[in-house]
Amino acid sequence: DAGVIQSPRHEVTEMGQEVTLRCKPISGHDYLFWYRQTMMQGLELLVYFNNKAVMDDSGMPKDRFSAKMPNASFSTLKIQPSEPRDSAVYFCASSFDARTGRTEAFFGQGTRLTVV
Amino acid sequence: AQSVTQLGSHVSVSEGALVLLRCNYSSSVPPYLFWYVQYPNQGLQLLLKYTSAATLVKGINGFEAEFKKSETSFHLTKPSAHMSDAAEYFCAVSEGTGFQKLVFGTGTRLLVSP
Repeated sequence: DAGVIQSPRHEVTEMGQEVTLRCKPISGHDYLFWYRQTMMQGLELLVYFNNKAVMDDSGMPKDRFSAKMPNASFSTLKIQPSEPRDSAVYFCASSFDARTGRTEAFFGQGTRLTVV
Repeated sequence: AQSVTQLGSHVSVSEGALVLLRCNYSSSVPPYLFWYVQYPNQGLQLLLKYTSAATLVKGINGFEAEFKKSETSFHLTKPSAHMSDAAEYFCAVSEGTGFQKLVFGTGTRLLVSP
């Protein structure tokens, strides 16, 4: 498996623009997570899914952020409108393979978002 | 709520010296504990995990960690540091069986000098 795949790796956008981050989890994993990493706040969980259903989105600013998982192999995190304080590295992770019983989370390489 | 505290944002060691990265946890239920490593411009990679099977957990790259309930600690060690160990290390705790959400510490940057 190629691991968790995120795109784009880097995104620079102007304040007010819509940004969409994409994630392809590891095939067979039941859980998908979106984390944000900043110098000030460290790693924060924004939202996570279990079998495509949102389990917890309490860490996600609802006014501008939205997360979707339309199928088991794809998720998006959308920011509209974007603000400079959204500048961060966004990580997607997936976990739990019921076939093997392995539970650890695997992380993508992240999307570095810069909002100017 | 669960949390982890990592003591020391930076730790410096010489190549060949013992590595000790500290992590203390807070949890109202038996925790699942993890150590992850992050190399520059990379995602997080699992080093090892504690899932109540054994208190001394061995991971990849020669790292190990010991779960001490009495001290609520899960410190990461490696007997002999290598230059390639220079990275940021994160301790994390999970409520459930480990595949649910992780709460991360603030990270410790390990610097290894020749």
